[in-house]
Amino acid sequence: DVKVTQSSRYLVKRTGEKVFLECVQDMDHENMFWYRQDPGLGLRLIYFSYDVKMKEKGDIPEGYSVSREKKERFSLILESASTNQTSMYLCASKRGEFSYEQYFGPGTRLTVT
Amino acid sequence: AQKVTQAQTEISVVEKEDVTLDCVYETRDTTYYLFWYKQPPSGELVFLIRRNSFDEQNEISGRYSWNFQKSTSSFNFTITASQVVDSAVYFCALSDRGNTPLVFGKGTRLSVIA
Repeated sequence: DVKVTQSSRYLVKRTGEKVFLECVQDMDHENMFWYRQDPGLGLRLIYFSYDVKMKEKGDIPEGYSVSREKKERFSLILESASTNQTSMYLCASKRGEFSYEQYFGPGTRLTVT
Repeated sequence: AQKVTQAQTEISVVEKEDVTLDCVYETRDTTYYLFWYKQPPSGELVFLIRRNSFDEQNEISGRYSWNFQKSTSSFNFTITASQVVDSAVYFCALSDRGNTPLVFGKGTRLSVIA
C-alpha cells in the first residue's frame, strides 16, 4: 500500500512564525504535491514537484515555498505565517506517468493566530 | 484548458436511497483519465476509481457504480442503497497528457441520514 505521511495532524502557530510542513511518501513516486483545502473552494494547488530539487508553482503559490532535497520528502514552508493561511493542507504523491492516480496524506490542519 | 465541474455542492439523502453524483469535464485531449475520490470526515482523500478515455464500459464495485459517457463529457457516480458511512465529500478529477497534476472539481458533500 502506498503511504503518504504528514508530520502533524494539527498545528497552531502565531502570526509571523516560520512554519514547516513535512510530507513523506514510501513508494518511490516521482511527483509530489501540496494543496490547501478551504470550505467552498475545493482543493487548490500550491506547489508541485516532478523530481528531486525541481518545483513548479501551482495556482496559489504566494506566501509559500517548497523544498525537495530527497525523492521521498516534500516540504512546504510558510516563511511568515499569516491568519489567512489558516487552512487544511494536503500532501499527495503519484508516479510520473499521467495515467496514475494521486495518493494523499491525512492532512495537516493549521491554525495561525 | 482542462476543467472539472461538479454542479452539486451538497446532497442530502435518507439511508437506503440511491444517489448520483454528477461530474462534467472539459479537455482537448483524446487520451485522458478520470478519477473519483472520497474524503470522509477524517480528512484523508481516498482513491476510488480511475477510468481511461477509451473505455466507456460502466463499472460496478459493490454498491458503487460509475457511468462514463464521452458524448456528454460526463463521469457520474452512483451509490446504491446509501449508508451513513457514505457521508463524505466526493471529488471528481481529470488527468490528460503531460506530467501535470490532476484537475479536481470542487467536490460534492453527501450527507446520508439514518
